[in-house]
Amino acid sequence: GAVVSQHPSRVICKSGTSVKIECRSLDFQATTMFWYRQFPKKSLMLMATSNEGSKATYEQGVEKDKFLINHASLTLSTLTVTSAHPEDSSFYICSARDLRAEKPQHFGDGTRLSIL
Amino acid sequence: AQTVTQSQPEMSVQEAETVTLSCTYDTSESDYYLFWYKQPPSRQMILVIRQEAYKQQNATENRFSVNFQKAAKSFSLKISDSQLGDAAMYFCAYRSDAGGTSYGKLTFGQGTILTVHP
Repeated sequence: GAVVSQHPSRVICKSGTSVKIECRSLDFQATTMFWYRQFPKKSLMLMATSNEGSKATYEQGVEKDKFLINHASLTLSTLTVTSAHPEDSSFYICSARDLRAEKPQHFGDGTRLSIL
Repeated sequence: AQTVTQSQPEMSVQEAETVTLSCTYDTSESDYYLFWYKQPPSRQMILVIRQEAYKQQNATENRFSVNFQKAAKSFSLKISDSQLGDAAMYFCAYRSDAGGTSYGKLTFGQGTILTVHP
């Protein structure tokens, strides 16, 4: 079964709305989670690294004030797209690293965000 | 910074045949992992196979195997006895094991769309 739960899977909303996406690790603690953005038939681009109890580390070119990340517990990271516009429409995927030895990185099922 | 390159945007194969997907990477690190992920139309990310850089032996998982050439920084994926369910987008990925802010971060290649013909 899924070890990383991402919710919601699909969001359609009006321009100007803020949208929150949750990423939960279900059976392990994740001090670090990653947020990726993916355009159709393109690769996953890392947006930011979410660190439990501290500020997220954003990749170059990613607007911190547009994409707010909060990692308040060892099992939950949230990405909030603030004042979303049509150009923010995309597929967002989170992943979490299970730090127990030899465990792979687990991905959520993604969130398809459509801004009208 | 590490880079991963997949030079084949699209590949096709006949069912039951074998296909090889190419991947090259660039890094100055000695400790790292390489992965192949499969992304079907559902867009789930499915781990296909992983390779530790310190291991010389090529990883295999049933019909999937890799050809890991560390000196050449090459990491190709071979799919044997291709099945219709193998049709997907395949991503090669690099993960540093060096610690610090890059720890656990995956760098992906551009992806290869694999079509399987019946």
